[in-house]
Amino acid sequence: IAGITQAPTSQILAAGRRMTLRCTQDMRHNAMYWYRQDLGLGLRLIHYSNTAGTTGKGEVPDGYSVSRANTDDFPLTLASAVPSQTSVYFCASSATSPGELFFGEGSRLTVL
Amino acid sequence: GQNIDQPTEMTATEGAIVQINCTYQTSGFNGLFWYQQHAGEAPTFLSYNVLDGLEEKGRFSSFLSRSKGYSYLLLKELQMKDSASYLCAVTDSNYQLIWGAGTKLIIKP
Repeated sequence: IAGITQAPTSQILAAGRRMTLRCTQDMRHNAMYWYRQDLGLGLRLIHYSNTAGTTGKGEVPDGYSVSRANTDDFPLTLASAVPSQTSVYFCASSATSPGELFFGEGSRLTVL
Repeated sequence: GQNIDQPTEMTATEGAIVQINCTYQTSGFNGLFWYQQHAGEAPTFLSYNVLDGLEEKGRFSSFLSRSKGYSYLLLKELQMKDSASYLCAVTDSNYQLIWGAGTKLIIKP
């Protein structure tokens, strides 16, 4: 593993199902983030974590939850998916805040 | 509210120079970033400005004027591979990044 790895790359999901997007980094960065990117809109922050054991809400947290049990992993969970959560999700990390963000390759999620 | 404005799309010719503007209104300022994002890929870091002036890095330069709430990204000697979206982002007083919607740059031969 080099950098940030996200899984799955792509997923089609029925509305009402639970889904967890995985994110792992090997750079020992303190800060990690989850963004969603929708056509015509800027990246919007869902949740963030400044260090292991702590999390915070971003701009659009409703319907999503995160955990940060250790430095490397930062999973994003949709408890009951809805069509408006159809988007491309990017996980990112940074050594400092503010600082250069390193992004994963993204997870394309379609909720039907 | 907080706002980042940048043009939706620009077209330029291979070998030419293009300037992508970004204006911002945020609660506080702790730096401005430019990222490049090719279609279907993740954003990658280009530049960071926290003080007024021009930062040059190879063919790319980024300028900041904090008093005007304005930045631009200058790309010289354009290559076809520069076709991408360019994202402007500002760190506000809470050290959170506010992102513009991005400028899609189309390079024509």
